[in-house]
Amino acid sequence: NAGVTQTPKFQVLKTGQSMTLQCAQDMNHEYMSWYRQDPGMGLRLIHYSVGAGITDQGEVPNGYNVSRSTTEDFPLRLLSAAPSQTSVYFCASRPEAFLAVNQPQHFGDGTRLSIL
Amino acid sequence: AQSVAQPEDQVKVAEGNPLTVKCTYSVSGNPYLFWYVQYPNRGLQFLLKYITGDNLVKGSYGFEAEFNKSQTSFHLKKPSALVSDSALYFCAVRDPDYGGSQGNLIFGKGTKLSVKP
Repeated sequence: NAGVTQTPKFQVLKTGQSMTLQCAQDMNHEYMSWYRQDPGMGLRLIHYSVGAGITDQGEVPNGYNVSRSTTEDFPLRLLSAAPSQTSVYFCASRPEAFLAVNQPQHFGDGTRLSIL
Repeated sequence: AQSVAQPEDQVKVAEGNPLTVKCTYSVSGNPYLFWYVQYPNRGLQFLLKYITGDNLVKGSYGFEAEFNKSQTSFHLKKPSALVSDSALYFCAVRDPDYGGSQGNLIFGKGTKLSVKP
């Protein structure tokens, strides 16, 4: 059981380039989310999804797009990379989307993204 | 707005000594509190949670946390620290109003725990 898998693990981009960070989970979880981790700022929610075809914005959504065409996959797209998006990105999931206050989230190992 | 604070950027303890990592929260309703640990170059791993019931919650790797409603705190503790406990620790609160009834997690900024031999 792989859990939450993120690819790539590392990436360097130039300003203005686009790319997609991949996230896949094999646990049939309804809820998936993307966070960014910056030093001294903890984790901040970018986007989340409560099921296939349903996504919504989190705390810091600007510059990022998401889609959820299947239960398993939740890619994060940077349309035009900026140096301010240099960060470590984590994907997380939990079994249920609603009425799930007691459910912890399962995290991937992250994608370390540098934008020059 | 609901929030969680970790007042210490870093905690240093000697191996074998007890450790405490502090967390305080601010919520309008019932708090749902979590602790996670992050080892270098890894994702966050769930340690323990408080939803309701006993104020002392036991979790993975010998960790426990004490919920104190009057002090709005949820401090992480371990009676005897190990060098392998050295990591980054995050406190988080689930807020049903943060992004809707899905109850997205709000994280503290993290506390780096260093355990010296």
